[in-house]
Amino acid sequence: QSALTQPPSVSGSLGQSVTISCTGTSSDVGSYNRVSWYQQSPGTAPKLMIYEVNNRPSGVPDRFSGSKSGNTASLTISGLQAEDEADYYCSSYRSGITWVFGGGTKLTVL
Amino acid sequence: QVRLVESGGDVVQPGRSLTLSCAASGFSFSDFGMHWVRQAPGKGLEWAAVIWYDGTNKNYADPVKGRFTISRDNSKNMLYLQMNSLTADDTAVYYCARGVGGRDLDYWGQGTLVTVSS
Repeated sequence: QSALTQPPSVSGSLGQSVTISCTGTSSDVGSYNRVSWYQQSPGTAPKLMIYEVNNRPSGVPDRFSGSKSGNTASLTISGLQAEDEADYYCSSYRSGITWVFGGGTKLTVL
Repeated sequence: QVRLVESGGDVVQPGRSLTLSCAASGFSFSDFGMHWVRQAPGKGLEWAAVIWYDGTNKNYADPVKGRFTISRDNSKNMLYLQMNSLTADDTAVYYCARGVGGRDLDYWGQGTLVTVSS
């Protein structure tokens, strides 16, 4: 059960935009619109930021957006703020009633 | 508000067993599927197990299949994870998370640490 592929790290300056990719297969990202994104700060539990590819839970700023093309999903954070610095994980439902996570991406705000 | 509180984490020897619990409140527990997800120290998230809202369907990740058992008691709003034949690779923070279908894994507990060491 290999994980989804994310870049280990990305960085961006305050106010800029960054995009984190999440590449899966036709058994997960490519076949289901059940891709989620989580933000995790050190020592805390993951927080849902995006669900079903491009939906934001209430309370999540609209600076966070999601998309998907083929087997790759993406999280875009626009207008970067210092508090956005964290680890970000994607996840997807995978056929066979399983779920899979990406390896995580560390976002550094310069 | 939705609250998930894990407990039961401990230091255990290899080969031993341990049962984790997750107390749910603030929502209709019996209406939601639930997951266990783990995170080894300094590593990423790893999905471990899922149980349907009524307990009729369960599934496991390959690394824990045959050793871990997920269960629930809807009368007590409790989720459990029984872990047998533990190895050092099972050392992790274990989180319970809510949601199957739609908003998968939308709320998470704070986690409980399991350390497998002799």
